[in-house]
Amino acid sequence: DSGVTQTPKHLITATGQRVTLRCSPRSGDLSVYWYQQSLDQGLQFLIQYYNGEERAKGNILERFSAQQFPDLHSELNLSSLELGDSALYFCASSARLTGTGDEKLFFGSGTQLSVL
Amino acid sequence: GQQVMQIPQYQHVQEGEDFTTYCNSSTTLSNIQWYKQRPGGHPVFLIQLVKSGEVKKQKRLTFQFGEAKKNSSLHITATQTTDVGTYFCAGPDQTGANNLFFGTGTRLTVIP
Repeated sequence: DSGVTQTPKHLITATGQRVTLRCSPRSGDLSVYWYQQSLDQGLQFLIQYYNGEERAKGNILERFSAQQFPDLHSELNLSSLELGDSALYFCASSARLTGTGDEKLFFGSGTQLSVL
Repeated sequence: GQQVMQIPQYQHVQEGEDFTTYCNSSTTLSNIQWYKQRPGGHPVFLIQLVKSGEVKKQKRLTFQFGEAKKNSSLHITATQTTDVGTYFCAGPDQTGANNLFFGTGTRLTVIP
């Protein structure tokens, strides 16, 4: 158990709909990252928040948005859903690596989104 | 743009055989991390390499960072069924964002 909590685990919806994915980082972690993993694809970075502020933005579609709340949980909103949005969406928080100061990621179990 | 390619994309081995996955970056990396994702699971951090030519071992796993810091490898000796999964390398995002850019991954299947 990574300590990162994601809900729901599965989501089935129709094209054109809007969904919200929720993530709670590990206790004490201020950062939240969102990644998308499509079938047989690698991990595509979407967006990062740090202590409520957007810190970095990756290949996130305009139909997608996210926010981080004062209690540090984050939500990823996906709207006008298309078949191609079907994927596994991971949330992660991070912690400093001893000695280097770089961050390592702790991933949640993911939300499997199926758009029919 | 930044690219991190891994080869092979898929590898099937008999249990007990060795396995190696190679990670090649289009740019020099300050460090590289490796993650393992079990089938149906989430990526889990394995290790970080920082120095040019660095070699680190974790039991049957040997990680190496290239001299030019543009490539890395993960070698598993005498694979076991517990080694099944997808192995990803990841480097710092070159855009300056404080996130990781993941490689394409190598999916390992171990045949008992």
